[in-house]
Amino acid sequence: GAVVSQHPSWVICKSGTSVKIECRSLDFQATTMFWYRQFPKQSLMLMATSNEGSKATYEQGVEKDKFLINHASLTLSTLTVTSAHPEDSSFYICSARDLNRGIDTQYFGPGTRLTVL
Amino acid sequence: AQSVTQLGSHVSVSEGALVLLRCNYSSSVPPYLFWYVQYPNQGLQLLLKYTSAATLVKGINGFEAEFKKSETSFHLTKPSAHMSDAAEYFCAVSSIQGAQKLVFGQGTRLTINP
Repeated sequence: GAVVSQHPSWVICKSGTSVKIECRSLDFQATTMFWYRQFPKQSLMLMATSNEGSKATYEQGVEKDKFLINHASLTLSTLTVTSAHPEDSSFYICSARDLNRGIDTQYFGPGTRLTVL
Repeated sequence: AQSVTQLGSHVSVSEGALVLLRCNYSSSVPPYLFWYVQYPNQGLQLLLKYTSAATLVKGINGFEAEFKKSETSFHLTKPSAHMSDAAEYFCAVSSIQGAQKLVFGQGTRLTINP
């Protein structure tokens, strides 16, 4: 139980294009999802908290107009990297909370590797 | 504010030896503490968590961790290392007051020598 999927797992795009990453909770409802980015050999940095039916809350220093987050249902949150540039290349990981398993634990997706040429 | 420090970015042990990965935290409110494992090009898998119940927490794959408030530590141990334990390990802290946001340590890469 508590499975989170991400799609795509790997994407390459040209500079200036937009890329959408999906995060789905497969066997539970997630009122809250989180988006992280991870640079090579580094830790995870929280980008934003996504709440179903409301605007995402972004961490300091994260451009909300560049990283668009939509949490339209209890099982799906999307992250769109707009006008991507090479410095946006990173490993993006989402997580979701399962309230039925306690609000203290996040379950992570497998990640999406974005490479911007 | 909360923070986590993992001592040692790289730990190497022999197969069958004790594994000890160190984690110290800073928190002005009662913390929730977690250990996650990450295999190459994958997301994070929860190993174990402390949420104010028993201070000695047992997790998956034979790992356990002890919450020591006086030392602000939450070190991860396993009595006998296996080759499959080779991975990146992250300690993280959160709290109710912190809206459950996870703050991660820098990570420790565990290498197992045959």
